[in-house]
Amino acid sequence: GAGVSQSPSNKVTEKGKDVELRCDPISGHTALYWYRQSLGQGLEFLIYFQGNSAPDKSGLPSDRFSAERTGGSVSTLTIQRTQQEDSAVYLCASSLFVPSYYLQETQYFGPGTRLLVL
Amino acid sequence: SQKIEQNSEALNIQEGKTATLTCNYTNYSPAYLQWYRQDPGRGPVFLLLIRENEKEKRKERLKVTFDTTLKQSLFHITASQPADSATYLCALAGTGANNLFFGTGTRLTVIP
Repeated sequence: GAGVSQSPSNKVTEKGKDVELRCDPISGHTALYWYRQSLGQGLEFLIYFQGNSAPDKSGLPSDRFSAERTGGSVSTLTIQRTQQEDSAVYLCASSLFVPSYYLQETQYFGPGTRLLVL
Repeated sequence: SQKIEQNSEALNIQEGKTATLTCNYTNYSPAYLQWYRQDPGRGPVFLLLIRENEKEKRKERLKVTFDTTLKQSLFHITASQPADSATYLCALAGTGANNLFFGTGTRLTVIP
């Protein structure tokens, strides 16, 4: 079946502009994650959605970052007033529901959106 | 503060040899640890998961060990092939199990 898809694959924007990044998770996956990967850095957790529960926003670096997930499926990550330090690859992942701390489902990653802020 | 270190940024080995990658962590008590492979321009792909009560896990040419006393995981690729060339990431579960904390990765190059 289809994997996680993300769009656009590449985005170049000017400093101060807003950008929207889209993620289509695997059908049936109720958990959705956003990560950021900067050059030479590990993946940095941004936000997590699980079903209809309130999202875990603990990883968002500033209030310029927000995300929503409509209908429990597609998610959009929005970065307002972009800065040059926002340049990175933004990765989305999805997984089946995680019922407990000791039972984890594999996360399936999309190809990422490469964001360049000039 | 919490920290995940992978032994080296880059590792070159000869085809047919065993590649060993290291993941060390501090200030975590993870219930499990995962290893991912990432190719250029692609998202990470899950390889193996090992739980805190497991010492070793194998999958084909891959072997992972997990020592919670040393706070270390070793990832081995036996009979390495040029197609194994990629960046390998280790990841630990966060305390809330809602996310994973990733190391910066080790870029493996298998030389024919």
